[in-house]
Amino acid sequence: NAGVTQTPKFQVLKTGQSMTLQCAQDMNHNSMYWYRQDPGMGLRLIYYSASEGTTDKGEVPNGYNVSRLNKREFSLRLESAAPSQTSVYFCASRGGGLETQYFGPGTRLLVL
Amino acid sequence: AQSVTQPDIHITVSEGASLELRCNYSYGATPYLFWYVQSPGQGLQLLLKYFSGDTLVQGIKGFEAEFKRSQSSFNLRKPSVHWSDAAEYFCAVGVNNNDMRFGAGTRLTVKP
Repeated sequence: NAGVTQTPKFQVLKTGQSMTLQCAQDMNHNSMYWYRQDPGMGLRLIYYSASEGTTDKGEVPNGYNVSRLNKREFSLRLESAAPSQTSVYFCASRGGGLETQYFGPGTRLLVL
Repeated sequence: AQSVTQPDIHITVSEGASLELRCNYSYGATPYLFWYVQSPGQGLQLLLKYFSGDTLVQGIKGFEAEFKRSQSSFNLRKPSVHWSDAAEYFCAVGVNNNDMRFGAGTRLTVKP
């Protein structure tokens, strides 16, 4: 039982390049989330998926797209990376109701 | 708007001393409250949570937190800090099932 996994662990991009961050969970959770973490700002929700086939914007969705590929996988895409998107990205999943969110280990992204 | 404030960016305590990390929230209804811990380079791990009932909640690793509605606070405490408690601590409020707002975090340093 690996919990929540994320790939890659670290990525360097040039401005304008695109990339997809991958996230998978093996806990059969319905809900999945993408956050970014910036110094002094805690975690901010980018997008979430309450169930397979649905996605919704969070607090800071601009510049990102997501895909809920199936119940296990939730990807985050940067179509044209900008230096302001340099951050640590965390994926999380949650079972039903008010249960705990479980976090992956994070992806460090540097946009030059 | 819902928000979470952690007034202390950085706290240093001696090993064996007691610890209190402060958290204040702004939310119209009874909130769902969480404390997470993040070790360097790692994802977030849940320490404890409050949904309803007893306002003093016990968590893992010897931590506890007390919900005080009158003060809009949910402070985290530990009677005796261990060197392994050095980490960053995040308070969070659940606005609804899919929207969780995090504080900016408090970094804890433990002196030998």
